[in-house]
Parts: sequence; C-alpha cells; structure tokens
Amino acid sequence: DSGVTQTPKHLITATGQRVTLRCSPRSGDLSVYWYQQSLDQGLQFLIQYYNGEERAKGNILERFSAQQFPDLHSELNLSSLELGDSALYFCASSARTGVETQYFGPGTRLLVL
Amino acid sequence: DQQVKQNSPSLSVQEGRISILNCDYTNSMFDYFLWYKKYPAEGPTFLISISSIKDKNEDGRFTVFLNKSAKHLSLHIVPSQPGDSAVYFCAASEGRGSTLGRLYFGRGTQLTVWP
Repeated sequence: DSGVTQTPKHLITATGQRVTLRCSPRSGDLSVYWYQQSLDQGLQFLIQYYNGEERAKGNILERFSAQQFPDLHSELNLSSLELGDSALYFCASSARTGVETQYFGPGTRLLVL
Repeated sequence: DQQVKQNSPSLSVQEGRISILNCDYTNSMFDYFLWYKKYPAEGPTFLISISSIKDKNEDGRFTVFLNKSAKHLSLHIVPSQPGDSAVYFCAASEGRGSTLGRLYFGRGTQLTVWP
C-alpha cells in the first residue's frame, strides 16, 4: 500500500459526459501528479501540482483540467468525453518537487461507451 | 516520441536464476532513473532508483546499473522468485527546467518467473 488513494476505482460513462477523478496523496506529500495509461500510449504524464499550484504540464488535453485543494487532495476533471479517453488514470505523490521518487495510487479505470 | 525505451516486451526466467531487464533512453538531460513493478489491477510500485552520479545501486535482490555513455540502464534480480512475476517499468526524470519532476516511462517488460 503506497498511501496514495484514488476514487472511484472504476467508472463507466457515455461519450460527451464529464467525470471527476479524486486523489489523496500520502500524508505529508506536497506534490501530486496525474498520469494516463492507455493501450497504445503507455504511461503518459498529464500534469503536476505542488502545494496547490500547477507546476508542470504534459500531454493534457484542453478538455481535461485539474486542481489541488488546500488539504492537498487533487481532482482531475475530464469533460466532453470521447471513446479514446478510455484508459487507466493514475495519481502519484511525492514529498516535494523535483528529482525524487513518486508513489502511485491504485488508479481509476475509465470506460467511455 | 518515446524517450525511454524497453525493447523487450517480455522475459521468461526460471526461479533462482538471474533476471536482467533492460532500458534505453535518448534524452541526455535525464539524471534520475527509477524502476517500478506493476501487478494487474494495481498501481506501479516503486522498486529502486539511481542518480546519474552513480553507476550502480543495490537493494537486496535488486541491483540497477547505469551506463550514461551508452544511455542504458538495467535491472538485475537475483535470485528470481515467482512473486517477481509482474510488469516492470523503467522511468526517467530531468533534474531541472520546466519538466522537473515529470517521469517519462518505457512501455514495460512482462517478467515471468517459472518454478
């Protein structure tokens, strides 16, 4: 158990809908990262927040957004969902930011029908 | 553009023998490397890491070797155990700049350890 929690574990929705994925980092960790794992792309970095502020952005679509709240939990919002958004979404956390180990949650499996 | 590559999608090893998983990278700015293990329906679990100032790091049965000139790293598992059967991901990070902290992952290698 990494100490990172993600809810929900599974999500089934329809195209055009909007969903919110939630992540709670390990106790004391200030950074939260979001990754997408799809069959054809592997694990891809989406976005990082550090202590409430956006720190780095990767291959995140404009339809996706994230935020980190004062209690350090984070939410990833996916809107206008398409079939291709079906993937595993992982959250990771680390103590600070920079070159250090990231600890991953169990993931949320999203299926868009 | 895949900056971290694991060219072997699978590896099969007998219990007790050595498992060697390989990883190549193209970005010379990478200076921190990690290996993660992943079981089905779980998130990646951190295994071992190495900084670019070292060429070897050991933790129990796991050793990671880094060859910066060849842009190559490998993970050795000795002795291999059936419980090691999982997908192993190589990841890399830059130590500076706007991508600080972002991990770049390889596609993974499925390791199967048979009795």
